[in-house]
Amino acid sequence: DVKVTQSSRYLVKRTGEKVFLECVQDMDHENMFWYRQDPGLGLRLIYFSYDVKMKEKGDIPEGYSVSREKKERFSLILESASTNQTSMYLCASSLRSDYGYTFGSGTRLTVV
Amino acid sequence: GDSVTQMEGPVTLSEEAFLTINCTYTATGYPSLFWYVQYPGEGLQLLLKATKADDKGSNKGFEATYRKETTSFHLEKGSVQVSDSAVYFCALTTQGGSEKLVFGKGTKLTVNP
Repeated sequence: DVKVTQSSRYLVKRTGEKVFLECVQDMDHENMFWYRQDPGLGLRLIYFSYDVKMKEKGDIPEGYSVSREKKERFSLILESASTNQTSMYLCASSLRSDYGYTFGSGTRLTVV
Repeated sequence: GDSVTQMEGPVTLSEEAFLTINCTYTATGYPSLFWYVQYPGEGLQLLLKATKADDKGSNKGFEATYRKETTSFHLEKGSVQVSDSAVYFCALTTQGGSEKLVFGKGTKLTVNP
């Protein structure tokens, strides 16, 4: 069964910490995405990547960075975590957009 | 730009009721259209899709028809179950070579026994 795996389901971090959220896919997909999901705001795209070492900003990149050193792994980095980054983070991958995305199970991050 | 508008939730139904969740879109060209479902505490799963006008996507008793004339892709199910309780997202592909999807804000469905 094809999969997108996010390394943590729940994470609690302190304000100011550097936080790494990891995402791995086993489908040889070119495209990978990071979203955050908040009540009433739906899904908001943070960053995406079309290929190894390539990245593009989404709609809300401020306070985040990403890394894609290998095709199967796409990491989201919170440089200095803040309480307003408490959210559900969802990773997704796709071969082509018209095939749809495959999502991971999400990481619920709490910054205290 | 491309956008998706879903009916506001939450929607509460009794088991075996008929379900409609409205979705309309604004897009240039001919987008592909999707419905995703998110069960509590989980990520999103692709429920169904349609890639051209008049196509009907279907899965697990859910159906949606790509209506270009009304720019709509309404989700329907004839008889809902308690296990259908979830959040449903409508989405479309964007144009211009982008691999991004645009998502609606989601509609929460609760089905009571």
